[in-house]
Amino acid sequence: SQTIHQWPATLVQPVGSPLSLECTVEGTSNPNLYWYRQAAGRGLQLLFYSVGIGQISSEVPQNLSASRPQDRQFILSSKKLLLSDSGFYLCAWSVLAEAFFGQGTRLTVV
Amino acid sequence: SQQGEEDPQALSIQEGENATMNCSYKTSINNLQWYRQNSGRGLVHLILIRSNEREKHSGRLRVTLDTSKKSSSLLITASRAADTASYFCATDAWAAGNKLTFGGGTRVLVKP
Repeated sequence: SQTIHQWPATLVQPVGSPLSLECTVEGTSNPNLYWYRQAAGRGLQLLFYSVGIGQISSEVPQNLSASRPQDRQFILSSKKLLLSDSGFYLCAWSVLAEAFFGQGTRLTVV
Repeated sequence: SQQGEEDPQALSIQEGENATMNCSYKTSINNLQWYRQNSGRGLVHLILIRSNEREKHSGRLRVTLDTSKKSSSLLITASRAADTASYFCATDAWAAGNKLTFGGGTRVLVKP
């Protein structure tokens, strides 16, 4: 069966520090991969979308970047975090239309 | 900008009542899906309806799709306290590269 792993669950980082959030998928091949951000009480904002290794679409100009070094690995990064980067980050995968989500990472930039 | 927008933003009902929420979108779609999110967790897929379908059922859930109005509704019948969550619609469309985009969600509170 397919599973998705996203870690860490919570993270507190100082302003200006780097960020690396990792997401891995098991049990499927060539998935579409997503990074979303969710502000408190709000909807999901699509940050990055990938249809294959090295193929990444950036949806929103921002302080973040994404990489897909392996078929089932998706990494969200920042060189220098801003206070506005705080939020709940969700990784998801899909093969057909239905998406499967990780449990999310709550990032607080202080 | 978000493709889907849910209405209402929040809904409070008594256990046993039905809960109805709506989703509107802007462009032609391939599929529309509904997801549920418990506080602080990931989203869980509930139901998918294709653009050529008008209604689907899954247990206590009923989804309708009106492509002429670019809208969908999710009905939860005989609600339970455990249905308390946020509900999101999501769409994918050829014009948007088949990416899955979400609305702002409806927060549902079912009081026991």
